Amino acid sequence: SYELTQPPSVSVSPGQTARITCSGDALPKKYAYWYQQKSGQAPVLVIYEDSKRPSGIPERFSGSSSGTMATLTISGAQVEDEADYYCYSTDSSGRVFGGGTKLTVL
Amino acid sequence: QVQLQQWGAGLLKPSETLSLTCAVYGGSFSGYYWSWIRQPPGKGLEWIGEINHSGSTNYNPSLKSRVTISVDTSKNQFSLKLSSVTAADTAVYYCSSLSGYYLDAFDIWGQGTMVTVSS
Repeated sequence: SYELTQPPSVSVSPGQTARITCSGDALPKKYAYWYQQKSGQAPVLVIYEDSKRPSGIPERFSGSSSGTMATLTISGAQVEDEADYYCYSTDSSGRVFGGGTKLTVL
Repeated sequence: QVQLQQWGAGLLKPSETLSLTCAVYGGSFSGYYWSWIRQPPGKGLEWIGEINHSGSTNYNPSLKSRVTISVDTSKNQFSLKLSSVTAADTAVYYCSSLSGYYLDAFDIWGQGTMVTVSS
């Protein structure tokens, strides 16, 4: 079955740039999406179609994709950005989430 | 603005059938895909399956043999049944919509229902 691979954790200091990667064989042909999930809450879409930002999402969140890797970048990470981040994509067998990355900002 | 409200039994015994329902308020029911997603405690998200207003379904291959998703267009509701549950099915279950506004993204989520499987 199709898998999306993320690092389990990323840690940055406030104001630094955080980068979270997601690798998958179908990403050259399929869009990547990114969700932010804070403790006890439902996920929130922060990036869609590789690099687009939904309304209401701060400009410090950006996305890119090249080959088999998609990247979520948080420029000038803030303490309130501390959360779990999941990439998501599709393939012929359905819809798949990455394993998630815990972002620590301190 | 579409809102999702979900409900169902929160405590099951092994081998029982999980049953959850999600109601759609405030928007169109047709033209969307409606999904179920789950998250075991401390773990990641897993897509379970989806249905559209005409009843066309797609399921996660790993769960397909135990999952049934159905729709009741008269009530703007869709439902999940997962048979023969075990402790591994303990999770928060979310209903969600794919409106197409963000292409293939799940854009609206229900509040989540914690389902515990324990003897």
